[in-house]
Amino acid sequence: QSALTQPASVSGSPGQSITISCSGTSSDVGAYNSVSWYQHHPGKAPKLMIYDVSNRPSGVSNRFSGSKSGNTASLTISGLQAEDEADYYCNSYSTSYTVIFGGGTKLTVL
Amino acid sequence: EVQLVESGGGLVQPGGSLRLSCAASGFTFSSYCMHWVRQVPGEGLVWVLAINSDGTTTRYADSVKGRFTISRDNAKNTLYLQMNSLRADDTAIYYCARDRTGCYGLCDYWGQGSLVTVSS
Repeated sequence: QSALTQPASVSGSPGQSITISCSGTSSDVGAYNSVSWYQHHPGKAPKLMIYDVSNRPSGVSNRFSGSKSGNTASLTISGLQAEDEADYYCNSYSTSYTVIFGGGTKLTVL
Repeated sequence: EVQLVESGGGLVQPGGSLRLSCAASGFTFSSYCMHWVRQVPGEGLVWVLAINSDGTTTRYADSVKGRFTISRDNAKNTLYLQMNSLRADDTAIYYCARDRTGCYGLCDYWGQGSLVTVSS
């Protein structure tokens, strides 16, 4: 049950776009369209931003989008805003009936 | 409004036991799969366990198998995490989370977390 692979950190200036990758295997990310993305501000509850690879829950800005190709999923944030600065995690269902999270990516808005 | 409130965390000695609770409100608790996810301070989120809506199926991460037990009381709208044989590396914030659909890890609501510290 190894963690999905995410870059430790990404950064961008306000207004720019960034993409965070989430690499897994054919037993998790590649096996199902059950990839979700979460925004986590330290000390607060994580927030679901994307589910089922590319769907946004009600209330989440359309600046957030998700995609997947093979064993790698991606989260793109366009029009970066200062409030987007947070930790971001992906997770995926796996063929062993468990859930695997990525190691997390710290987004810095310059 | 959906609310999940964890309780029961605290300081426990290595080898000891602790039971966390997660009180749910604002939704039909008995219709949803629930998860426990933990985070070592300064590190990432790690999925730990899940239980389906009627409590008949549970799933565990290898790191806690045989030591932790997840259960629920749908009459009381409460999720539980029984932790036995605790180790220092179990020190973490423990979050309960609701699964949006099925039991696939689509966690749409989370509690604020309960800190468990395992130390002598």
